[in-house]
Amino acid sequence: GAVVSQHPSWVICKSGTSVKIECRSLDFQATTMFWYRQFPKQSLMLMATSNEGSKATYEQGVEKDKFLINHASLTLSTLTVTSAHPEDSSFYICSAHRRQGSDYGYTFGSGTRLTVV
Amino acid sequence: KNQVEQSPQSLIILEGKNCTLQCNYTVSPFSNLRWYKQDTGRGPVSLTIMTFSENTKSNGRYTATLDADTKQSSLHITASQLSDSASYICVVVNQAGTALIFGKGTTLSVSS
Repeated sequence: GAVVSQHPSWVICKSGTSVKIECRSLDFQATTMFWYRQFPKQSLMLMATSNEGSKATYEQGVEKDKFLINHASLTLSTLTVTSAHPEDSSFYICSAHRRQGSDYGYTFGSGTRLTVV
Repeated sequence: KNQVEQSPQSLIILEGKNCTLQCNYTVSPFSNLRWYKQDTGRGPVSLTIMTFSENTKSNGRYTATLDADTKQSSLHITASQLSDSASYICVVVNQAGTALIFGKGTTLSVSS
């Protein structure tokens, strides 16, 4: 089955520093990767959509200069939270999208808990 | 506006009992409807995927139904276990397969 590895699973950083989160599709090529943010007891909120080799598309209200997304290959996308602040503390989840015939597969990573102190 | 609404918001049941979670959606047309289980602090894990032409899909103790006419889906869990305690999320994928519309989830707590 499709597996998406997300790393790290949790990270604590100081305010003002940057944090990089990796999302890898282990056994398939992901044409598109999605990045979500989830606050406690809330549903996933789409932050941005990234296609391999092109610029990410950000949702309204998401600062592209703060949340840098790189999708350099069909198996790897990264999200960098730049100059992190306590309000950026959240649960970040990636999802890799693949298409097999008429079936669209979406597989989620295990998430990254970011705490900014 | 494309929306997915789930009910109840939360549910507490005794171990061994059955329960049914509901999902109403306005996404039309759509490609497929998915149910995910999300444990606390983890990413969502797929339980079932149904296209608009399917009425029911089972995965072990999980059975999902879909009524495309009334735009309703349900997830039935039989013989609940403590490990079923989680958030269950209904997701509808648009026809192009390019967007996922998430429900807010139902938090299920199974107690002994």
